[in-house]
Amino acid sequence: EPEVTQTPSHQVTQMGQEVILRCVPISNHLYFYWYRQILGQKVEFLVSFYNNEISEKSEIFDDQFSVERPDGSNFTLKIRSTKLEDSAMYFCASSALAGGRTGELFFGEGSRLTVL
Amino acid sequence: GENVEQHPSTLSVQEGDSAVIKCTYSDSASNYFPWYKQELGKRPQLIIDIRSNVGEKKDQRIAVTLNKTAKHFSLHITETQPEDSAVYFCAASKGSYGKLTFGQGTILTVHP
Repeated sequence: EPEVTQTPSHQVTQMGQEVILRCVPISNHLYFYWYRQILGQKVEFLVSFYNNEISEKSEIFDDQFSVERPDGSNFTLKIRSTKLEDSAMYFCASSALAGGRTGELFFGEGSRLTVL
Repeated sequence: GENVEQHPSTLSVQEGDSAVIKCTYSDSASNYFPWYKQELGKRPQLIIDIRSNVGEKKDQRIAVTLNKTAKHFSLHITETQPEDSAVYFCAASKGSYGKLTFGQGTILTVHP
């Protein structure tokens, strides 16, 4: 069964450093997302991406965050200058637009970011 | 924006018992309600979903009911097994664009 894959699984960084989290969505999916989950809390929407542009973003997704689909397979989340409160598990997800179970999100295993 | 409340936060049952988790949502325009199961350190995985044009959906031991008027939906697990132990999240969405608003999660523990 196709899966969303994410790298790295865990990244430790110093406050103020830039991090890039990478995702390979399921190949025939058209919508891509980033969610985050602070330890012990609910999963929170960050951003959705379709047709090479952001379709929606939350108030969490401020100017420190950016997303990119640099090629036909990767989808990245960049945090420009990390803060302590950015420490969380970041989940990439993808979904298909037409056919099948529209709206079902498939999540990756997550990238745990620890900011020291 | 949408707000989803989930109860209870923890639920402990004996193997074979039923478990019920309830969620309420605030935005009457929401029309897609998935339930995700998340085992410790793993990705959330969809276990069942329901759309606003149906009131109930069942898949083996799992069922979901939706009351659009009251804006609440519930997950029912029958004949629980220890492997059902996990965190369960409800969510709501207005369309197929993937912006899910999640509930706070319910830690379900099934004792053998």
